[in-house]
Amino acid sequence: SQQGEEDPQALSIQEGENATMNCSYKTSINNLQWYRQNSGRGLVHLILIRSNEREKHSGRLRVTLDTSKKSSSLLITASRAADTASYFCATSTSGSARQLTFGSGTQLTVLP
Amino acid sequence: EAQVTQNPRYLITVTGKKLTVTCSQNMNHEYMSWYRQDPGLGLRQIYYSMNVEVTDKGDVPEGYKVSRKEKRNFPLILESPSPNQTSLYFCASSSSGANVLTFGAGSRLTVL
Repeated sequence: SQQGEEDPQALSIQEGENATMNCSYKTSINNLQWYRQNSGRGLVHLILIRSNEREKHSGRLRVTLDTSKKSSSLLITASRAADTASYFCATSTSGSARQLTFGSGTQLTVLP
Repeated sequence: EAQVTQNPRYLITVTGKKLTVTCSQNMNHEYMSWYRQDPGLGLRQIYYSMNVEVTDKGDVPEGYKVSRKEKRNFPLILESPSPNQTSLYFCASSSSGANVLTFGAGSRLTVL
């Protein structure tokens, strides 16, 4: 069953700009994760934020989590053409990878 | 290199012809899972396995079988493929207690 819903479905920006993607979910979670998928390839884990955390950074990535609004955002700063990919949020209700539920993704295109 | 390997990467087959998609991981992970990805639907879990000889249904198990005879392998079996099983399939694994999935590169299956 689909828990996370990403917004927007597609985003196109110029290289150097920041990209923000949002994820909303329905039920209480243990953690929320973001994954990247390059065209036709497997998903790659980017970052995990736990339900008791509000913000997390990893390189050019910044993730926020608002459990009261049941939403998260992924910010990619100073985007590059290589950031072009689909980005998925995944929620876990128990903390186990077994119960990860993925959204339908945001397609990000970074124009050179 | 730590990885999840799927084969075949691409396959075109006909309705009713049994096929197996293999998945192997070299990370000694206990947990393995199969997903299918369809446009607009995100990733949906087909089956998962918590350990050797322990498998369970995910969200969309109909028409699929799995087995887990060895820790490293988790094949997906389509006994009688139908066109609605045309999809991009991903195998993923995780160590027990971990939250994060490592994905294979995907297997694109077309059933005519």
